[in-house]
Formats: sequence, C-alpha cells, structure tokens
Amino acid sequence: DVKVTQSSRYLVKRTGEKVFLECVQDMDHENMFWYRQDPGLGLRLIYFSYDVKMKEKGDIPEGYSVSREKKERFSLILESASTNQTSMYLCASSFYRLWGAQGTDTQYFGPGTRLTVL
Amino acid sequence: AQSVAQPEDQVNVAEGNPLTVKCTYSVSGNPYLFWYVQYPNRGLQFLLKYITGDNLVKGSYGFEAEFNKSQTSFHLKKPSALVSDSALYFCAVRDEDTGRRALTFGSGTRLQVQP
Repeated sequence: DVKVTQSSRYLVKRTGEKVFLECVQDMDHENMFWYRQDPGLGLRLIYFSYDVKMKEKGDIPEGYSVSREKKERFSLILESASTNQTSMYLCASSFYRLWGAQGTDTQYFGPGTRLTVL
Repeated sequence: AQSVAQPEDQVNVAEGNPLTVKCTYSVSGNPYLFWYVQYPNRGLQFLLKYITGDNLVKGSYGFEAEFNKSQTSFHLKKPSALVSDSALYFCAVRDEDTGRRALTFGSGTRLQVQP
C-alpha cells in the first residue's frame, strides 16, 4: 500500500512565525502536491513538484514556498505565517505515467495537518 | 482551464436507498475524472476514476460512477446506501491535453445517510 505521511496532525503557530510542513511518501512517486482545504472551497493547489528540485506554482502560491531536495520528501514553507493561512493542509503524491497500470495518475493523500495561526 | 462543479453542498438519503452525488466538469481536451472520499479528520481516499473505455466505472465500497460526455457529468452512485457511507465526497478532473499534472477539485458534497 502507498503511504504518505505528514509530520504533524495539528499545529498551532503565531503570526509572523516561519512554519515548515513536511510530507514523505514511500512509493518512489515522481509527483508530489500540496493543497489546502477550506470549507466550501474544496481543495486548492498551492504548489507541486514533478522531480527533485523542480517545482511549479499552483493556483494559490502566494505566501508559500516549497522544497524538494529528495524524491520522497516535499516540504511546504510558510515564510511568515498569517491568520488567513489557518487551514487544513493536505499532501499527495502520484506516478507521472504508468501505462496500462491502475496507478496511472491516481493521487494518494496523507492524513492532513490542521494548522492554526494565532 | 479545467474546472469541476458539485452543485449540492449536502445530500441526505435513508439507509438502503440508492444515492447519487452529482459532478459536472469543464475541460478543453479529454478528461481524467476522479472521486475521492474524506472521513472526519482524515485525508482523502481514492474511490474510482475514469480514464478511457467503459462509461460506467466501478470502484471501492460498492460505488460506481457514470461518465457522460454529452452532459459533461460524472455522477457518483451506489445502489444501497449505508450509514458508514456518511462522509465528504470530492470530484476531481485533470485535462489530459493540457499536460497539467495536478487535479482540480470540486467544493465537496457532504453525504448524510440516516438509519
């Protein structure tokens, strides 16, 4: 089974703090993603990475950065946390393309980190 | 641009009755379509997907979904609902022709199954 783990289930930080959210996957997936989930808005893509040291902005990258130094690990960084970044953060990973296999494109999610910024 | 609409915030159904959770999509090319389920305080779990082939897709826990190209819909269905199906359901799409690897998710539909 694919396993995606996130470093914390719950996190409380203060405004202006630098926050690191860590995600690790154990299936050698090329793609990794960071989403935030807010009620009524569904999941919105923050950043994704398709290879080590490669990253692309998603739909709402402002106020965030990412790091992917190793294939299995993808970090989300809030440079200076603000109250409007209080949210549930979900990490996911997937193969890029695996022709003829059930794994094609399916994203596997971690349990989420509920971040509260005070 | 790719987008997904889930028109119902909540769907209520009695246990044993059939259920439908609606999803419509918009893409410029060929769609890859997904359904995920989220139980309280958990991450998303994959239910099923449509890539190509048969329009009726069967997935986990007895769920199925029907791809309708003319109506640009991908509704999730189950013949007989269980109380344990109560959860938040998300539809997602990826436009194969754009090369964008990320999914676009709908806003979610909360399914409440009453005993």
